[in-house]
Amino acid sequence: GAVVSQHPSRVICKSGTSVKIECRSLDFQATTMFWYRQFPKQSLMLMATSNEGSKATYEQGVEKDKFLINHASLTLSTLTVTSAHPEDSSFYICSASSPSNNYGYTFGSGTRLTVV
Amino acid sequence: GQNIDQPTEMTATEGAIVQINCTYQTSGFNGLFWYQQHAGEAPTFLSYNVLDGLEEKGRFSSFLSRSKGYSYLLLKELQMKDSASYLCAVRVSTGKLIFGQGTTLQVKP
Repeated sequence: GAVVSQHPSRVICKSGTSVKIECRSLDFQATTMFWYRQFPKQSLMLMATSNEGSKATYEQGVEKDKFLINHASLTLSTLTVTSAHPEDSSFYICSASSPSNNYGYTFGSGTRLTVV
Repeated sequence: GQNIDQPTEMTATEGAIVQINCTYQTSGFNGLFWYQQHAGEAPTFLSYNVLDGLEEKGRFSSFLSRSKGYSYLLLKELQMKDSASYLCAVRVSTGKLIFGQGTTLQVKP
């Protein structure tokens, strides 16, 4: 079945640095990638939607200059958290959708980001 | 705006049946999903409803009424491993998947 590989699974970084999270679709072409963040004991909050070769569409309240999303190919999308601060510590998870997976949603395994 | 409501917490006994409700008011509707999520892990797909009625899959069933903006997830023969968060999510007209706040289910012996 469709698989999305997300890396890293855990990352700790210092305040002010940038962190890149990658999501790769291993056996299908992800035409659309959704990026979510999840705070402890809360649900998934959609941050942005990216389509291959296009600029990402960000949800209201999400800073596009802070959360850079690149979807340059049909198998790779990245989220870069720039100038990270402790309040950016969260669980980030991607989800791919494509005609290949019947427009279902295939989730990555998530990245636990801790900013110290 | 988008509004998806489900109870925050539920408790049930091992071997029993539990029903988790979800109501939604969204800009367009293109299907409703239920996911299970354990802490620190990705959501796991449980069920999908796009037409009214009941979908059954083993111990899990999901019901949808589009006219009422209502769905429920039914879990039968509860097991301890069913303790998890259950997420109701609606695919809206843009193709985005919008999640409710999730229901934490605790199964007790």
